Amino acid sequence: NAGVTQTPKFQVLKTGQSMTLQCAQDMNHEYMSWYRQDPGMGLRLIHYSVGAGITDQGEVPNGYNVSRSTTEDFPLRLLSAAPSQTSVYFCASTRGLNSPLHFGNGTRLTVT
Amino acid sequence: QQQVKQSPQSLIVQKGGISIINCAYENTAFDYFPWYQQFPGKGPALLIAIRPDVSEKKEGRFTISFNKSAKQFSLHIMDSQPGDSATYFCAASKIYNQGGKLIFGQGTELSVKP
Repeated sequence: NAGVTQTPKFQVLKTGQSMTLQCAQDMNHEYMSWYRQDPGMGLRLIHYSVGAGITDQGEVPNGYNVSRSTTEDFPLRLLSAAPSQTSVYFCASTRGLNSPLHFGNGTRLTVT
Repeated sequence: QQQVKQSPQSLIVQKGGISIINCAYENTAFDYFPWYQQFPGKGPALLIAIRPDVSEKKEGRFTISFNKSAKQFSLHIMDSQPGDSATYFCAASKIYNQGGKLIFGQGTELSVKP
């Protein structure tokens, strides 16, 4: 099992550019989420999904869009990148209530 | 507003010593408290978790102590080893808030010296 796979591992964007961070899981988990990790801030929830077709905002959703057309995939879109979005992004999935979150290995994004 | 506060930010411990990381939370609706361990270049992975109906949970060298009245919980790593060097995150969630919605602390970078 691959678990949670994130691509790309690294990305550099210029301010105003757009891109999509990919996330796929092969564990048939209903719940998926996106976090960003910044020094001294821990991990903060951006968006999450409780199943295909259902998404909701987390703590820091501004500047990010998500959609969930299949159980396996949960892409994160940056429509117009800003330097404040420089961060490490983690996708995670879980089978349900109080079950472990399974994280991918992250995407390190730099916006110049 | 940081709902889960973690300290210290960094910790250096000698091999064989005890590592202690503390967390405090504000929301009394939280009732699931996991700890995650993260190695460089990797995503966090669940280490151990506790529910508020118990005051302590032990798994091998790792122990969570929970103080519901003080709204605090801590991770103790006994006989710390260089392989335990990692960043540790405490977290909290509400059981009816469904999976994937964790509130994380700021993280503690642990270094165990040989």
